[in-house]
Amino acid sequence: EPEVTQTPSHQVTQMGQEVILRCVPISNHLYFYWYRQILGQKVEFLVSFYNNEISEKSEIFDDQFSVERPDGSNFTLKIRSTKLEDSAMYFCASVPIGGGNTEAFFGQGTRLTVV
Amino acid sequence: GDSVTQMEGPVTLSEEAFLTINCTYTATGYPSLFWYVQYPGEGLQLLLKATKADDKGSNKGFEATYRKETTSFHLEKGSVQVSDSAVYFCALRGQAGTALIFGKGTTLSVSS
Repeated sequence: EPEVTQTPSHQVTQMGQEVILRCVPISNHLYFYWYRQILGQKVEFLVSFYNNEISEKSEIFDDQFSVERPDGSNFTLKIRSTKLEDSAMYFCASVPIGGGNTEAFFGQGTRLTVV
Repeated sequence: GDSVTQMEGPVTLSEEAFLTINCTYTATGYPSLFWYVQYPGEGLQLLLKATKADDKGSNKGFEATYRKETTSFHLEKGSVQVSDSAVYFCALRGQAGTALIFGKGTTLSVSS
């Protein structure tokens, strides 16, 4: 069964460093998303990406964040200068074309720890 | 804006007990509604969904009915198992391609 894969599963980084979280969405999907979940809290939307551009972003997605789809398979989230409060589980998701009732398929997540 | 409110946890039950996790929503238009489950150490998995009023989603013994009149999508299971211990998230999507909006999650702990 096709699945969304994320790497690495766990990343530890020092405050102020740049990190890149990687995702390989399901191959025929067209919408891509990043969400984050701070430990014990709700899942929060960061950004959505469609047709090679950002289609929607939340207040959390400030200038420190960027997304890219550098080739036909990868979808990356870059945090330029990490802060302690960026420590969270980051989930990538993809959705095939098909409307609002289509489920989102999530990866296993990357746990980012900023020290 | 659109939002989802679900009951605070944790919910602690004995095996074979009846489960209800309440979820209500606020949205313009006619959203699709979802329940996702997160088992310990894992990502989010779709549990069930409903796309229009009065639809009932069901999977693995869990059910939820899309109630437009009460803007609710409560999750129920008649007899929970230890393996159902997880965090359950209610979510909605307003339009095609837009982001899912999640509730805060409800932790369920089932003991034998």
